[in-house]
Amino acid sequence: KNEVEQSPQNLTAQEGEFITINCSYSVGISALHWLQQHPGGGIVSLFMLSSGKKKHGRLIATINIQEKHSSLHITASHPRDSAVYICAPFGNEKLTFGTGTRLTIIP
Amino acid sequence: DSGVTQTPKHLITATGQRVTLRCSPRSGDLSVYWYQQSLDQGLQFLIQYYNGEERAKGNILERFSAQQFPDLHSELNLSSLELGDSALYFCASSPGDSALGGYTFGSGTRLTVV
Repeated sequence: KNEVEQSPQNLTAQEGEFITINCSYSVGISALHWLQQHPGGGIVSLFMLSSGKKKHGRLIATINIQEKHSSLHITASHPRDSAVYICAPFGNEKLTFGTGTRLTIIP
Repeated sequence: DSGVTQTPKHLITATGQRVTLRCSPRSGDLSVYWYQQSLDQGLQFLIQYYNGEERAKGNILERFSAQQFPDLHSELNLSSLELGDSALYFCASSPGDSALGGYTFGSGTRLTVV
């Protein structure tokens, strides 16, 4: 069983829709990163959070440490949000990566 | 520009050869992390250096080695290359010795072994 499970693996939505990507992990962690990887391959760190909720523009990330679950939400989605989103819990002094959710937003 | 510089961006080489990938961390960051991303796998942690010393080791093959120099840039050496080594290789940097204090990725080196 993978230590990090993301769902869905693939998501296609219309522009403007509200998007939710989920991440569940099995180990105890002190923080969790959400990463965005664009088709060109570059990776950007979107959030690092250890409790509650963080918001940056149209992106919102939440985490429940007790339930070992985090979600990434995108409001008013736009085609430029099309990318692979990767969650990466930090525990046991290392980052573990999910396999990513491929998001495609259709105009 | 993230501040983390990786060179080269693309590399094509033959099986059995040796290559060196280079990473310059963001200014002020002391840790460098190396990752491999193959088509059929997610990001795999290879190795971390902190202020010139090896800090943590992941799934790094014996054919691979790395080091961090006094100016904090790092090099990842891949030898006796196999077709399966074709992948994106990323480095990331952070100010401290863990990913808790901020984490910045480079744009990656795409290695193709033919």
